[in-house]
Amino acid sequence: DTGVSQDPRHKITKRGQNVTFRCDPISEHNRLYWYRQTLGQGPEFLTYFQNEAQLEKSRLLSDRFSAERPKGSFSTLEIQRTEQGDSAMYLCASSFPSSTGLTYEQYFGPGTRLTVT
Amino acid sequence: AQSVTQLDSHVSVSEGTPVLLRCNYSSSYSPSLFWYVQHPNKGLQLLLKYTSAATLVKGINGFEAEFKKSETSFHLTKPSAHMSDAAEYFCVVSDLGEYGNKLVFGAGTILRVKS
Repeated sequence: DTGVSQDPRHKITKRGQNVTFRCDPISEHNRLYWYRQTLGQGPEFLTYFQNEAQLEKSRLLSDRFSAERPKGSFSTLEIQRTEQGDSAMYLCASSFPSSTGLTYEQYFGPGTRLTVT
Repeated sequence: AQSVTQLDSHVSVSEGTPVLLRCNYSSSYSPSLFWYVQHPNKGLQLLLKYTSAATLVKGINGFEAEFKKSETSFHLTKPSAHMSDAAEYFCVVSDLGEYGNKLVFGAGTILRVKS
């Protein structure tokens, strides 16, 4: 399967611990996105990369969150000093510019479900 | 800022009857609109997209949506529901920034299909 993959699929951690998630995009896609989805809500944008450059960050991304894409391939999302409010599904998506150069279809991974106890 | 409003949080239909999931959008420019579906424990899957070409867009699994600028709507329809259509559906607008686009999701509509 050559879709977007995420690891781990589930993570349970205690409040105050650090966690790191990994996303492997579709290989030819140069854009990578992170979203967060809480129960009963649609996903919300967190940040995105074009190749290794992080081009935009949402106000949702507090100082405890950091994302990297060091070689323009896989990406990691780290949450430091986790809080119960961080419990959510963290989704990764990737895209490649369409022929118009503007409208990008994003392909999503299965997500990492984080539970902070 | 771009936004979408899904008018129903839950829709219940009988198998074989039509499906209508309603979505209104708000955009300061000509929008790109999408419908995604999320089955339990599965990733988000793109159903269809509108990008300023034909206003009636056909997607996968028999779904289609019509872009109506005058009504700022992008409702999703299917002539005949199947049990496998039971899932959560998201209406999405693309928010174009300086460097590219991010997706803005509605709150979702859970579709239940009764046998």
